[in-house]
Amino acid sequence: DQQVKQNSPSLSVQEGRISILNCDYTNSMFDYFLWYKKYPAEGPTFLISISSIKDKNEDGRFTVFLNKSAKHLSLHIVPSQPGDSAVYFCAASDTGTASKLTFGTGTRLQVTL
Amino acid sequence: DAGITQSPRHKVTETGTPVTLRCHQTENHRYMYWYRQDPGHGLRLIHYSYGVKDTDKGEVSDGYSVSRSKTEDFLLTLESATSSQTSVYFCAISDSNTEAFFGQGTRLTVV
Repeated sequence: DQQVKQNSPSLSVQEGRISILNCDYTNSMFDYFLWYKKYPAEGPTFLISISSIKDKNEDGRFTVFLNKSAKHLSLHIVPSQPGDSAVYFCAASDTGTASKLTFGTGTRLQVTL
Repeated sequence: DAGITQSPRHKVTETGTPVTLRCHQTENHRYMYWYRQDPGHGLRLIHYSYGVKDTDKGEVSDGYSVSRSKTEDFLLTLESATSSQTSVYFCAISDSNTEAFFGQGTRLTVV
């Protein structure tokens, strides 16, 4: 039972354009959401998070949108850069914090020149 | 980078042998976690700790045990390794007001 779903295994975007990564969840108790970025042979690196009391959070080129009624969140990267090429994981927690995370299966983003 | 060290980074072991993976932190964070990453599954929580000697099971705890005798160390033990435990294992740490920070991972192969 996959409670956090990333239905697109891969995404290719041109440098300078917007990358949009999507994530759906089924557990209505989730109240804290995070995005992590992972390069090969490294651990996941935290990107951005959002609490369920908000619908948007922005940090530089990264913006996360949360639609609670649809149980959907998305990560926007603008503008996309070649260094953004990595696997992106969506994660969720029902503790209001980053503890005990449930992860999606990941989306591989490739930013092309 | 958060001060998290996993050891060993790579290990090959035989089926039926015990294996212990170590996670060491220098951040004095309260919470520590062990996740495993497998294709098609993302990262799944094995066990976690919310303090010294306080641990609990995660989503995929069968076949694993943990111990935390000091704030800085969290050990994951496979009592009798099986091929299904071939995976990449990640340790993570967090505190009540921080995000979760991950170690570099341990690639374990059970042959």
